[in-house]
Amino acid sequence: EAGVTQSPTHLIKTRGQQATLRCSPISGHTSVYWYQQALGLGLQFLLWYDEGEERNRGNFPPRFSGRQFPNYSSELNVNALELEDSALYLCASRQTGTGSVPTFGSGTRLTVV
Amino acid sequence: GQQLNQSPQSMFIQEGEDVSMNCTSSSIFNTWLWYKQDPGEGPVLLIALYKAGELTSNGRLTAQFGITRKDSFLNISASIPSDVGIYFCAGQFTSGTYKYIFGTGTRLKVLA
Repeated sequence: EAGVTQSPTHLIKTRGQQATLRCSPISGHTSVYWYQQALGLGLQFLLWYDEGEERNRGNFPPRFSGRQFPNYSSELNVNALELEDSALYLCASRQTGTGSVPTFGSGTRLTVV
Repeated sequence: GQQLNQSPQSMFIQEGEDVSMNCTSSSIFNTWLWYKQDPGEGPVLLIALYKAGELTSNGRLTAQFGITRKDSFLNISASIPSDVGIYFCAGQFTSGTYKYIFGTGTRLKVLA
């Protein structure tokens, strides 16, 4: 069974540009979570999608947005990039139902210069 | 941002020693999870806890769901060099949402 896949693995952008990060969940998983992990720090909750809808959002500005497609894959968009957006962005997927927990991908390393 | 309090922040231990770390929250959780993250990788689930007071083991790892539902503990016995990494706790809020909040992490370094 394929795990959670994220692309690209690395992304370098210039301040002010936009970045798009992609996530494919494990087959059968309908929930997708996005987390930001700045260097040496913990995971900050960004967004949670389930069945195509945004269910919850962390304390991030509106320039962080995303969506979930009918096949449950997801995109995270970051507009007007700032230097402090440089981080590892982790996606996790989860199957609906109690007892199921998030499984993570390896992340996209975003560097803003 | 929303994060749980996790301690210690980092620790150096000798191979063979036991390790303890904990996580506390001001909120009540339905589920506590413990993950390990290796450099350049995403976190990998170690143990999941679903009931207050629950004590669960996975090999040399043992974790407990605090009876107040506001804390959790992870113990590693007889540490080995491959235990090196960052350990994160995560809590899932009470029913109605499957949002998970993570701790600040405990960086473990094992001296051979």
